[in-house]
Amino acid sequence: DGGITQSPKYLFRKEGQNVTLSCEQNLNHDAMYWYRQDPGQGLRLIYYSQIVNDFQKGDIAEGYSVSREKKESFPLTVTSAQKNPTAFYLCATRGGTGHYGYTFGSGTRLTVV
Amino acid sequence: AQSVTQPDIHITVSEGASLELRCNYSYGATPYLFWYVQSPGQGLQLLLKYFSGDTLVQGIKGFEAEFKRSQSSFNLRKPSVHWSDAAEYFCAVAASGGSYIPTFGRGTSLIVHP
Repeated sequence: DGGITQSPKYLFRKEGQNVTLSCEQNLNHDAMYWYRQDPGQGLRLIYYSQIVNDFQKGDIAEGYSVSREKKESFPLTVTSAQKNPTAFYLCATRGGTGHYGYTFGSGTRLTVV
Repeated sequence: AQSVTQPDIHITVSEGASLELRCNYSYGATPYLFWYVQSPGQGLQLLLKYFSGDTLVQGIKGFEAEFKRSQSSFNLRKPSVHWSDAAEYFCAVAASGGSYIPTFGRGTSLIVHP
């Protein structure tokens, strides 16, 4: 079945450490996105990529980095510069033009301990 | 820039009752509009979308939404709510051109009483 796999589902990080969240898709979608979700704040865009080897900052990119070396993969690194990284992180893809909507992964919950 | 307002943070209904979740958007041209649903600890699932044509759109799980340009609204409705509909609902608007990146509302939490 086609879909998006986010791993791990739960992740714990010590302060000062970098962590990488995985997002893999087999939908053959060109565009991929990372969102951060905090209670009561909806979804906020971190980074997006519309094509391999290209990506753009979203609204809250500070303290995060991404790469897009393969069409299927769009990993997100949460760096130690991110001051409040505890959140639920969602990866999404989009095939075709905007009216197709997004397909979302099941998310990774990151907790800083 | 587009924006979305979901004025209700929480909505409580009884099982079997009708439901309407409100969504107002701001965008200069005809937007792409979406409703998504999220169960706790899960990703979002697309319920329905509007991008042109008939202003009443049907979605999955018995939901429908009506695009009203004069009111800049895209309210979600269901005639009879089931306990399994309890979830978080997000309205989103995307520009009909360019990067197509949607802006999401803050969500409405639906509570269903037996």
